Amino acid sequence: DAKTTQPPSMDCAEGRAANLPCNHSTISGNEYVYWYRQIHSQGPQYIIHGLKNNETNEMASLIITEDRKSSTLILPHATLRDTAVYYCIVRGTYGNKLVFGAGTILRVKS
Amino acid sequence: EPEVTQTPSHQVTQMGQEVILRCVPISNHLYFYWYRQILGQKVEFLVSFYNNEISEKSEIFDDQFSVERPDGSNFTLKIRSTKLEDSAMYFCASSEGQTETQYFGPGTRLLVL
Repeated sequence: DAKTTQPPSMDCAEGRAANLPCNHSTISGNEYVYWYRQIHSQGPQYIIHGLKNNETNEMASLIITEDRKSSTLILPHATLRDTAVYYCIVRGTYGNKLVFGAGTILRVKS
Repeated sequence: EPEVTQTPSHQVTQMGQEVILRCVPISNHLYFYWYRQILGQKVEFLVSFYNNEISEKSEIFDDQFSVERPDGSNFTLKIRSTKLEDSAMYFCASSEGQTETQYFGPGTRLLVL
């Protein structure tokens, strides 16, 4: 599975959009981009995933560049409860495991 | 919304004792996983399980560890003789298919004294 690079931390004002970047320059054509988050020491929470098209659900939007070498997770209106570690994971179509990096610590401030 | 559940939420044990961590995956899911997270470190994959067999395991998952699906609902992780370094959060996850989204439980915090 391709390696990902994320900034170690970011701040965001409450009510504003949080844009979390991820680089995955070695991604292969059949690998998906997954985003999870972890609040305190709770279990990782699935947010969204995509292959090449942009995706949106009730939690977030995922924007994947045309060359698929990077992506951005967008939380449209961040709240204090969105403060968490956000993980960008590239996952192939075979093999079961998720490989977690250090992620980005997002701090939402009032 | 269906969710993965884990028991106990906290477990304290003495070094050398056996522990069993329990998970109830989402009911229609067929693939089951254990991950762990040592305090302050990354979430690490331990093992995946499908059709009553281990399908993949990491180097961490040595002979001290075993997994079992004893009935139609539970999925367990057993550590035979715990070590201090086994202290961690243990997360169970499940997915509908091999490449489908994995959903995680809340975790069991294991402390080995």
